[in-house]
Parts: sequence; structure tokens; C-alpha cells
Amino acid sequence: DADVTQTPRNRITKTGKRIMLECSQTKGHDRMYWYRQDPGLGLRLIYYSFDVKDINKGEISDGYSVSRQAQAKFSLSLESAIPNQTALYFCATSEPVAGGSYNEQFFGPGTRLTVL
Amino acid sequence: LAKTTQPISMDSYEGQEVNITCSHNNIATNDYITWYQQFPSQGPRFIIQGYKTKVTNEVASLFIPADRKSSTLSLPRVSLSDTAVYYCLVGLLGGNYQLIWGAGTKLIIKP
Repeated sequence: DADVTQTPRNRITKTGKRIMLECSQTKGHDRMYWYRQDPGLGLRLIYYSFDVKDINKGEISDGYSVSRQAQAKFSLSLESAIPNQTALYFCATSEPVAGGSYNEQFFGPGTRLTVL
Repeated sequence: LAKTTQPISMDSYEGQEVNITCSHNNIATNDYITWYQQFPSQGPRFIIQGYKTKVTNEVASLFIPADRKSSTLSLPRVSLSDTAVYYCLVGLLGGNYQLIWGAGTKLIIKP
């Protein structure tokens, strides 16, 4: 079974709709991340969470919100989707920095979101 | 803010050594350099990280010159299965979270 899972894997929605993307992990990591990937732009960090009570904005948080329901679950919401939020979204986890390779993140398979 | 620049694409042949270079002129003192590999329909996968000089693991080597303004990922004796997109990342988890990903280098290995 995959350590980091994302649902749904694909989603097509319309402008103005509320969308939630979900991420679950069985790695036991405290730290979780949401990224978006656009062609030619690499990955950009949306939000990250150190633990259930700690949530932080990343590089491009406008238009997004998150919820850390438990250590293993981290959800990303688009309150009112717009076409330029069409992208591939990845969830990732990592151990605390002192516990392993400083920049090793474990990624889910991604959610392809299309906003019409 | 650091910016990473890497070639858009590269071709090579099975059995060759492949070197992919990333430029990061404004790298900060605490930043690490990390490389990830991504296959279609999958998330990126960690390959190697380093701070300075040379790091080697079972799949790759990472060369970082003294000024740290660039880095080179070296893949020895590539095979067809190494065809993927390779990303350079500059930053440090647990630091200021200014994680700067390159746009990726699409590596195509030919038989």
C-alpha cells in the first residue's frame, strides 16, 4: 500500500465551486505539505504543517485553505475555484529535520484538477 | 531569494554517464541542494542532497563547487528506466521554508 495517498486522483469542476483535496499518510510523519505543479514552473509550496496545531502559509497560499484533521490527514480546499488553479496538486510528508535527510520529502501520486 | 535554473531537456544513451547542472546564484548560507526524480503520473522522489563538495549514494553523485552557485547531478551508466524529469531544489526544510524548485530537466535515455 502507498504511504501517501491523495483523493481524488482527477477532478474536473467549474468556476466558483468549492473543492477539497484530501491527503492521508501512514508514514507517521508530523510534517505535511501541499504543492502545486504547473508545466515549466516546477513545484510551488501552498501550505505546510508541522503538526496538528501548526499550519503555515507557503509561497502561494492566496485562494487556498487547509485543514489538519489528524497527524495522518491534511486537506486542501479551494473555496471558490478559478481556471488559473488548474494544476497538478501534490501532498508530501517529511520527518523533523534532525531525524533524517534534511530535504527528503515523500510525495503522494498527485491530484489533477481542472477548473472550467 | 534563490532562483534555480536547469536545462529544459537532455538526451543520452544507455550505459553513458549523464550530468545535469543546476545554477543557483543566490543560494543562502543554510540552504541545502537536493535533487528529485519524477516519473509520469507519480510524485517526485528524493535522489540525493548535499551542502558542499561531493556526495555519493547508491544511485547518484552530487558535485557542489566551493562557491555553491551551481551543482551537478551525475547519474552513472544510465538505463532506459532513468528516463524521467529531474528537479533541483534549493532550500532547507525547517529553515525559512523558502524552497525553490527548478523547472525540471526532462532526461530521455535512448537504447
